[in-house]
This record gives sequence, structure tokens and C-alpha cells, in this order.
Amino acid sequence: KNQVEQSPQSLIILEGKNCTLQCNYTVSPFSNLRWYKQDTGRGPVSLTIMTFSENTKSNGRYTATLDADTKQSSLHITASQLSDSASYICVVSALYNFNKFYFGSGTKLNVKP
Amino acid sequence: DGGITQSPKYLFRKEGQNVTLSCEQNLNHDAMYWYRQDPGQGLRLIYYSQIVNDFQKGDIAEGYSVSREKKESFPLTVTSAQKNPTAFYLCASSEMAGPYEQYFGPGTRLTVT
Repeated sequence: KNQVEQSPQSLIILEGKNCTLQCNYTVSPFSNLRWYKQDTGRGPVSLTIMTFSENTKSNGRYTATLDADTKQSSLHITASQLSDSASYICVVSALYNFNKFYFGSGTKLNVKP
Repeated sequence: DGGITQSPKYLFRKEGQNVTLSCEQNLNHDAMYWYRQDPGQGLRLIYYSQIVNDFQKGDIAEGYSVSREKKESFPLTVTSAQKNPTAFYLCASSEMAGPYEQYFGPGTRLTVT
């Protein structure tokens, strides 16, 4: 069964600290993996998209990693800011099935001053 | 400004009434999607459309209906047959080639009492 699981469910960190969010998937055959940021009451916004051949991709203070062998991805946030408080969603696509996206339930991050 | 718009942002209805949520995109994307988001759960696909005048049921289509008369527009009707309609509804669009990255609208929060 194709699934995406994220951990932790929620996380509280102090402003300026780093954190890492995890995403494990069983989707096969794998096409690509995305990380989205969703502010409360808003639509998700893409942070990174990674294909099979990529193992690291950065977007400012956000760095995503992908290990296609172990089917794991992580999102590392450096020097967190209050505006990083949001839910972070991992989404995986399968090959040959373009309209099927497998969503994790998200990690809710709260950055405190 | 290219993007996806959803209206209204908040919608309140009495039980037993049908309600239509609007979704418009000017990204020239062929594919459009409707998702439902409930607390603590991943996004669940209601309907999707790859081309004008054609659409397919997603995982939770019961109690919902859609139309795709124009490429830019994909309205969702929540009917009185939907048992638990109160939720956050997200519309998305994507191309039909490449990494199929989805772009999301800002969402509509529907409350039915």
C-alpha cells in the first residue's frame, strides 16, 4: 500500500534553533517528492521538489534530503524564524500515475521567541 | 499575477443546502484538483480533471459534484448528501508533463450547521 508518514506530528523550538522533519514513504515506483509549507488557514506552498537522482536540494534556510534506497526524506530548517511556524507537508508521486499524489499528514512546527 | 483563486474564503451554510465553491486558475494548466483537508489528516482527493468537459472521481467523491466547462474554472458543489461537509477545501492545478508540480489556491473553509 502506498503511504507517506511524517514525524514528528508536532514540534516546538526556540527562534534561532535548527530542526529536522522526517518523511518516510512506501510509494512505488517513485517519481518525485515535494515538501510544502502551509500557513494556518492558507494553501500549501512548494518549498522543494526532488527526483530520484537528487539527494540534496536547498531553498534558502530549507534543505531537503532524499534517500531513495531507504525511502526517506528530511527537511532541515536552519536558524528558525517566527515565520517558519506552519505545517510542513511531504507529498510523493508515483511514476505512470501523474494525477495521484500521496500526502503525509504533516508536521506542525511552532517557533517560539 | 499568475495563480489560483478560490472564493469565498469562508462559507457558512445550513444543513440540507447545496453550496458551490469557486476555483479559477490563470496558469494555463490542463489538470485541476479538489482536495479536502481535515485536522490531523493528509489531503484527500475529491475530484480531478485533466481536460475540459472531463473529470474523474477521487478517493472521497460521494456527496460532491464538479464541472469543467472552461480550462480556467473547476467549481465544486457540496451537496446535501455529503454527511460531514465542514472542512477546509483546497483547489490545485498542475501541468500534464514534467514533475507535475501542484499549485494550490488559498482554500475555502466551509462550515455547515
